Amino acid sequence: AQKVTQAQTEISVVEKEDVTLDCVYETRDTTYYLFWYKQPPSGELVFLIRRNSFDEQNEISGRYSWNFQKSTSSFNFTITASQVVDSAVYFCALTSMDSSYKLIFGSGTRLLVRP
Amino acid sequence: EPEVTQTPSHQVTQMGQEVILRCVPISNHLYFYWYRQILGQKVEFLVSFYNNEISEKSEIFDDQFSVERPDGSNFTLKIRSTKLEDSAMYFCASSEEEALNLEAFFGQGTRLTVV
Repeated sequence: AQKVTQAQTEISVVEKEDVTLDCVYETRDTTYYLFWYKQPPSGELVFLIRRNSFDEQNEISGRYSWNFQKSTSSFNFTITASQVVDSAVYFCALTSMDSSYKLIFGSGTRLLVRP
Repeated sequence: EPEVTQTPSHQVTQMGQEVILRCVPISNHLYFYWYRQILGQKVEFLVSFYNNEISEKSEIFDDQFSVERPDGSNFTLKIRSTKLEDSAMYFCASSEEEALNLEAFFGQGTRLTVV
């Protein structure tokens, strides 16, 4: 069965702090994709990143970085020097043939960045 | 950049009324999806649609729900007799193929409030 766990329900940091959002997934498939989405207060889902299961290289995009570790089935997301505009709910998601290509979302982590 | 468009952005309806949520997928996309997010909860898959028929549906997608592509451009979700618990954000998504490495593009969502 497919499952995505985001154990952190809510995180509060002060602006300029670094923050890491955890994501742990379960799948029997050897080929799968992992995603992160941002949901700001306005409600839309903003795509951040997609990684496939064969590419364990860490990725950096500006203040965002992602650490994919197959050994621990984790795909963690770090925001460096957080800003108030980073305040949102962040969802990790998984898709594979076992899920018939539909996205399986985690429960989300609400990030509050205080000025 | 092409995008998925959903209308209306917010709909309020009385319990027991029928409601139709509309989506215009990206023009060359062939796979269409509806997801639902009850306030404060995770995003959940409802249904996928390809070649004018449902490919897969979740247990949430009961007989009260239906989808259709009436005119080759719109993709609609109909709820026949709304219940209070249908209040949620509904997201439409589309993708070019049913493949792992293709991102499903999400619309901005329709917030449905049943009173």
